[in-house]
Amino acid sequence: DVRLVESGGGLVQPGGSLRLSCAASGFDFNGYTLAWVRQAPGKGLEWVSSISSSSSFIYYADSLKGRFTVSRDNAESSVYLQLSSLRVEDTAVYFCARENWDLTFDSWGQGTLVTVSS
Amino acid sequence: QSALAQPASVSGSPGQSVTISCTGSSRDVGGYDYVSWYQKHPGKAPQLIIFGVTNRPSGVSPRFSGSKSGNTASLTISGLQPEDEADYYCDAYTSSSTWVFGGGTKLTVL
Repeated sequence: DVRLVESGGGLVQPGGSLRLSCAASGFDFNGYTLAWVRQAPGKGLEWVSSISSSSSFIYYADSLKGRFTVSRDNAESSVYLQLSSLRVEDTAVYFCARENWDLTFDSWGQGTLVTVSS
Repeated sequence: QSALAQPASVSGSPGQSVTISCTGSSRDVGGYDYVSWYQKHPGKAPQLIIFGVTNRPSGVSPRFSGSKSGNTASLTISGLQPEDEADYYCDAYTSSSTWVFGGGTKLTVL
């Protein structure tokens, strides 16, 4: 079975940084684009970033304005999201998701909570 | 990129049908047949229920169906059941090679 497990969330002060990880198993990790999607408390889902299988194509939501960086390690079957210059409004559950060839997110992790607060 | 427009809430009685709309633009919903729908229960991961506008993943009930007309996609849930009570989100691939989600719709089964 496809499994995606996020980690690395926690409490961080405004202006701080955090690195999220997503460990994948149960499928050929090298063959898929992975994405990060977040959900702020009481709000809807928001696509954050996607990274292609070989890291050749990387996209970010315009709203992030260069504060987040996505990367992956195919040898470790993991994808990462580096969060920098964090703001209170970045408080959210961050989900890792697999994008399949039908351009849909067919598998999701359970999410990791990031809380930005002083 | 603004979120796709969804009604904040819809409701229906068991056995009835409800339809949730998802309105975007020619740069996303109207431009490609890459619209998906997700069901999300509080505290749980989203679950894909419709992809490619009309397709159901294996294991998803045929009570869920999708369609699209112009810049608006729709999700119809027929034969409502209590377990259908959840939040529903659409998403669409965009002309910028990015993704945009809808604001979400809370379905209440009366």
